Amino acid sequence: DQQVKQNSPSLSVQEGRISILNCDYTNSMFDYFLWYKKYPAEGPTFLISISSIKDKNEDGRFTVFLNKSAKHLSLHIVPSQPGDSAVYFCAASEASGTYKYIFGTGTRLKVLA
Amino acid sequence: ETGVTQSPTHLIKTRGQQVTLRCSSQSGHNTVSWYQQALGQGPQFIFQYYREEENGRGNFPPRFSGLQFPNYSSELNVNALELDDSALYLCASSEAVGGGSPLHFGNGTRLTVT
Repeated sequence: DQQVKQNSPSLSVQEGRISILNCDYTNSMFDYFLWYKKYPAEGPTFLISISSIKDKNEDGRFTVFLNKSAKHLSLHIVPSQPGDSAVYFCAASEASGTYKYIFGTGTRLKVLA
Repeated sequence: ETGVTQSPTHLIKTRGQQVTLRCSSQSGHNTVSWYQQALGQGPQFIFQYYREEENGRGNFPPRFSGLQFPNYSSELNVNALELDDSALYLCASSEAVGGGSPLHFGNGTRLTVT
């Protein structure tokens, strides 16, 4: 039962353009969402989060959008840079009193110079 | 500010053996969680510790056990290793229990079971 899905295993984008990474979830109780970036041989690095009371959160080049009715979130990276090439994971949790995050299977982003 | 550190970085064990992995939390964080990441998958929750007590557990058998110490460091122990236990084991600390608090991960321990 995959509660968090990242249906695109990979994505290639030209440097300077926008990268859009997508994530779908099935559990309507999820109300806190995170995006992580992972380089080889390193642990996941926290990028940005959003709670269900918002539909957008922005931090520099990174923006996360949440569509609760569609149970969908997306991460936009503008402009994309070669250093953004990594695997991106979305994760979700129930913010009220639970303790675990459910991760998607990741999307490998390659930014072409 | 010191981040999450894990040791060892790599480990090779034989099926049936036991292994202990170690983790030091980021300073100021009192909650530690362990995740298993198999090849091509996202991290899967094993368990979380808060105030030296197990605070929640994922779908892992009892041969996966843990400890948290008063300085918030932690251990993950796996008994009777199986080939499918080969994975990257990630430790993460956070400021608070529960959702709403981002996890900060270490670089992981790569365990290979032969």
